[in-house]
Amino acid sequence: KAGVTQTPRYLIKTRGQQVTLSCSPISGHRSVSWYQQTPGQGLQFLFEYFSETQRNKGNFPGRFSGRQFSNSRSEMNVSTLELGDSALYLCASSRTSGGAEDTQYFGPGTRLTVL
Amino acid sequence: AQSVAQPEDQVNVAEGNPLTVKCTYSVSGNPYLFWYVQYPNRGLQFLLKYITGDNLVKGSYGFEAEFNKSQTSFHLKKPSALVSDSALYFCAVSPANAGNNRKLIWGLGTSLAVNP
Repeated sequence: KAGVTQTPRYLIKTRGQQVTLSCSPISGHRSVSWYQQTPGQGLQFLFEYFSETQRNKGNFPGRFSGRQFSNSRSEMNVSTLELGDSALYLCASSRTSGGAEDTQYFGPGTRLTVL
Repeated sequence: AQSVAQPEDQVNVAEGNPLTVKCTYSVSGNPYLFWYVQYPNRGLQFLLKYITGDNLVKGSYGFEAEFNKSQTSFHLKKPSALVSDSALYFCAVSPANAGNNRKLIWGLGTSLAVNP
């Protein structure tokens, strides 16, 4: 079974631009979560989607948004990029609707650099 | 406030020696506990989890972890370290009473270096 895939793997953008990242979950997984990883802050939760609905949201500004499609694939968008948005963005999928005991499986991440 | 602590930023161990990566937590109610490993330029890989039952949990690549409720700890262990175990290790906790509002609380990670 294929794992979680994320595209693109690397992105370089300039301040003020916007970016869209894509995530395809493991086949049969219906929940997708997004995280931002930086050396100083660790993993910061962005949001979680299940059946095209946002179920949970972290403490990020409205510039960060996401969506999920009927095939469970998910995209996240960051508008008006800032230097501080440079990070590794990780997508994780899980089988169920986000129960606390459910295991999340991560993709390789998208490395975003904002210049 | 609910939190996870990995008290050591870095752990160094010689190949063949036992290793321990520490994790303590503070959450309300009974926790679900997870360990993940991250190799350079890779995403996180699931190692093991504790849900209920036996306090000693066995996972991938020979790793195991012991849940200690009284000490609110979930330390990761391996009897004999390999150079290939060198990576960043993350502990995560989910309060069992979160229901469908899962909020994984993550530690900041511990860098493990296994020296040949």
